[in-house]
Amino acid sequence: KQEVTQIPAALSVPEGENLVLNCSFTDSAIYNLQWFRQDPGKGLTSLLLIQSSQREQTSGRLNASLDKSSGRSTLYIAASQPGDSATYLCAVRSFTGSARQLTFGSGTQLTVLP
Amino acid sequence: EPEVTQTPSHQVTQMGQEVILRCVPISNHLYFYWYRQILGQKVEFLVSFYNNEISEKSEIFDDQFSVERPDGSNFTLKIRSTKLEDSAMYFCASGQENNSPLHFGNGTRLTVT
Repeated sequence: KQEVTQIPAALSVPEGENLVLNCSFTDSAIYNLQWFRQDPGKGLTSLLLIQSSQREQTSGRLNASLDKSSGRSTLYIAASQPGDSATYLCAVRSFTGSARQLTFGSGTQLTVLP
Repeated sequence: EPEVTQTPSHQVTQMGQEVILRCVPISNHLYFYWYRQILGQKVEFLVSFYNNEISEKSEIFDDQFSVERPDGSNFTLKIRSTKLEDSAMYFCASGQENNSPLHFGNGTRLTVT
């Protein structure tokens, strides 16, 4: 059964810092990995999707990497802003069991201080 | 940009009642999902729907739950005989293909009293 872990659970940084969020998964047989942002009481906003054959994806100040063999992904946020404050969720779609569902981590709660 | 819309945003119901949560997926998407998030816990999969039938369901999705696509646009989740532990945020999601990114709605917060 796929398990997804995110470290740290919470992170607080001053504005302008670059930061890295970590995600690990137990079963490397995945279709893809998706990073989401969740604001308090809100839905999930898709940030980046990395297919299993890819090593990284970039969107603006965000860069996500994937090392499937070691079961790890990172989300790099450059020049952080207070508006980046949110919970960031990592989710993997796996071969084992079903390919149709995402397995989520618990998230990293990010606070960017002005 | 097209988005997944869910109604209502908040539903309060008494234990034992039936509720229907509604979703309008993105129009050209073919795969539809329900997920839920109990307060303070992980987002967890409930059910996936494709070609007018359930393609997969989790252990959570027992006979208390059902899904339907009554017309070409709506996708509903019905919860019968609600229990206190059904209180959660319920998210609808859709995807264009099986391996495409999932797009989530803003959720319906269900409170069972």
